[in-house]
Amino acid sequence: QVRLQESGPGLVKPSATLSLTCSVSDASMNNFYWSWIRQSPGKGLEWIGYFYYTGTTNYNPSLNSRVTLSLDTSKSLFSLRLTSVTAADTAVYFCARGLYSAATGHFYATPGVWGQGILVTVSS
Amino acid sequence: IQMTQSPSSLSASVGDRVTITCRASQGISNDLAWYQQKPGKAPKIMLYDVSRLESGVPSRFSGSGSGTEFTLTISSLQPEDFATYYCQHYYTTPLTFGGGTKVEIK
Repeated sequence: QVRLQESGPGLVKPSATLSLTCSVSDASMNNFYWSWIRQSPGKGLEWIGYFYYTGTTNYNPSLNSRVTLSLDTSKSLFSLRLTSVTAADTAVYFCARGLYSAATGHFYATPGVWGQGILVTVSS
Repeated sequence: IQMTQSPSSLSASVGDRVTITCRASQGISNDLAWYQQKPGKAPKIMLYDVSRLESGVPSRFSGSGSGTEFTLTISSLQPEDFATYYCQHYYTTPLTFGGGTKVEIK
């Protein structure tokens, strides 16, 4: 049973860089899409981007110039780096593995397994 | 692609049939998933490809639709179903979610 666990600082200063790590247990990282999604307090869900195991990345244009995702399969780690943060970046950040369907045999970009989430507050 | 859900909230009783609608601003083929989220928890995928149930999801959940209009139906609402539901397309990037529908106890 795959498990994902986010870690990182809960408080980041404005204009600083937010860095989070997702530890992946009991599963190979190959073949899957790996995403970060965030949810602002009391708000909806925003997809940040994904890293496909081949090295392809795809970022939400709303964050494109500020975000970098990386995957370290040797350490089973998936990372997010978001630069120049403001209060608007305050949110719960989730890492997620893309869905695999046994019924179709397909690997999907849509998140299938999620971490529990980590609250990051941007404040001085 | 914008995803619009309605209603934003509803009140229902155990045993009720509940339907939630999701509209896409353009055609997304069958590339639609539904998620359930409970307070303080991560979303859980319930259906994908419009109508495929994720493993372990009860059969009282069903999905339908195509193109731009989709529905999630819970045939007989159970106590554990009170939650917020989100639709999400994966037709292209960026993946986007609907605004959510909160299902509350009447």
